[in-house]
Amino acid sequence: GAGVSQSPSNKVTEKGKDVELRCDPISGHTALYWYRQSLGQGLEFLIYFQGNSAPDKSGLPSDRFSAERTGGSVSTLTIQRTQQEDSAVYLCASSLRREGEQFFGPGTRLTVL
Amino acid sequence: AQSVTQLGSHVSVSEGALVLLRCNYSSSVPPYLFWYVQYPNQGLQLLLKYTSAATLVKGINGFEAEFKKSETSFHLTKPSAHMSDAAEYFCAVIYSGGYQKVTFGTGTKLQVIP
Repeated sequence: GAGVSQSPSNKVTEKGKDVELRCDPISGHTALYWYRQSLGQGLEFLIYFQGNSAPDKSGLPSDRFSAERTGGSVSTLTIQRTQQEDSAVYLCASSLRREGEQFFGPGTRLTVL
Repeated sequence: AQSVTQLGSHVSVSEGALVLLRCNYSSSVPPYLFWYVQYPNQGLQLLLKYTSAATLVKGINGFEAEFKKSETSFHLTKPSAHMSDAAEYFCAVIYSGGYQKVTFGTGTKLQVIP
């Protein structure tokens, strides 16, 4: 596709359920990033992929959060046993190289009831 | 720890007035610097970026930013604010050397008053 896409655009779930968020980066972009944007907060870095490996997972807030990337393309962010504080917009971005401009997807708005 | 600071979480300017959004980074090594804009209910898009080619960088929508090494700053400016400039602006930094990590500022919401 022409840009970064994310699905679903909105997700409402009950506390304790698991959710999977998907990111399709721009074709050929080797770097992929996940961020979280909570109401009134800035961008919180979660994880960075270079190819299929994640050299930096330092931003994952707890072991309930995990992410994988396959084929150097699609990435999935999984949140297990969701909590209300997980409610936020989850943004994915990709870039052609590490120092390059990041192209952002529209985000997935997660609401945990 | 390396960081990026945006002074002022909210800035209000009158339509037609100068826009100045501040960004300071902490590093002795000149980094890669970016400004992103997020319009209401939209994703982030790149306004401009500094990659050492020129200290004054021009971006989209009439915005520009000047890299000042002596002040470790990369402030965003626009001579005349327009109503459509109302958005949230994020400064981002990638530090060169060693492991390169992207760090975003906390954002500045710009309000334009008619």
